Amino acid sequence: DAKTTQPNSMESNEEEPVHLPCNHSTISGTDYIHWYRQLPSQGPEYVIHGLTSNVNNRMASLAIAEDRKSSTLILHRATLRDAAVYYCICTDNYGQNFVFGPGTRLSVLP
Amino acid sequence: DAMVIQNPRYQVTQFGKPVTLSCSQTLNHNVMYWYQQKSSQAPKLLFHYYDKDFNNEADTPDNFQSRRPNTSFCFLDIRSPGLGDAAMYLCATSRGLRDEQFFGPGTRLTVL
Repeated sequence: DAKTTQPNSMESNEEEPVHLPCNHSTISGTDYIHWYRQLPSQGPEYVIHGLTSNVNNRMASLAIAEDRKSSTLILHRATLRDAAVYYCICTDNYGQNFVFGPGTRLSVLP
Repeated sequence: DAMVIQNPRYQVTQFGKPVTLSCSQTLNHNVMYWYQQKSSQAPKLLFHYYDKDFNNEADTPDNFQSRRPNTSFCFLDIRSPGLGDAAMYLCATSRGLRDEQFFGPGTRLTVL
């Protein structure tokens, strides 16, 4: 199972873009990359996932490196509500080995 | 609204006294998961059910068991809670193993 590494914490100013990096150098060819976030005192919530191509949804964009050894979650305009712990997770094609790493704690400054 | 419901939100038990946590879902999802999250740590998967098929993570202690009597409900039983079992317990559901997981708000367990 591919392990992920992320910075412990990051800061952003409100209404600015945020790029949250994740390294997964041991990822296999069929592993999916998932991002979840956990707001204070809540359960985690799904943000986005992808396999090879970059992905966009209403919450964020996911940029996946060509060699797939790293990815970046992009929040286009951070709001105070985006302050949370962001987890990058790699799973195999069957959804096995769904292991949360320590995550990145994002602070958004007004 | 379709959702994942956990009851109770806060549970206090005594050392060694069995306790059961409950999770229900209105999403009609096939998969239900139980996670343990200790303070300032990431959630850790304990086990999951795909329909009636139970899948235990290798390092989940025997003290933790689960039941899924039907599609909507799943229970986490802790047979003899220790002080180290105090944590937030999160239930999640997904349509399939590769699909987005929907999490409940969690039950915070205190062991006295």
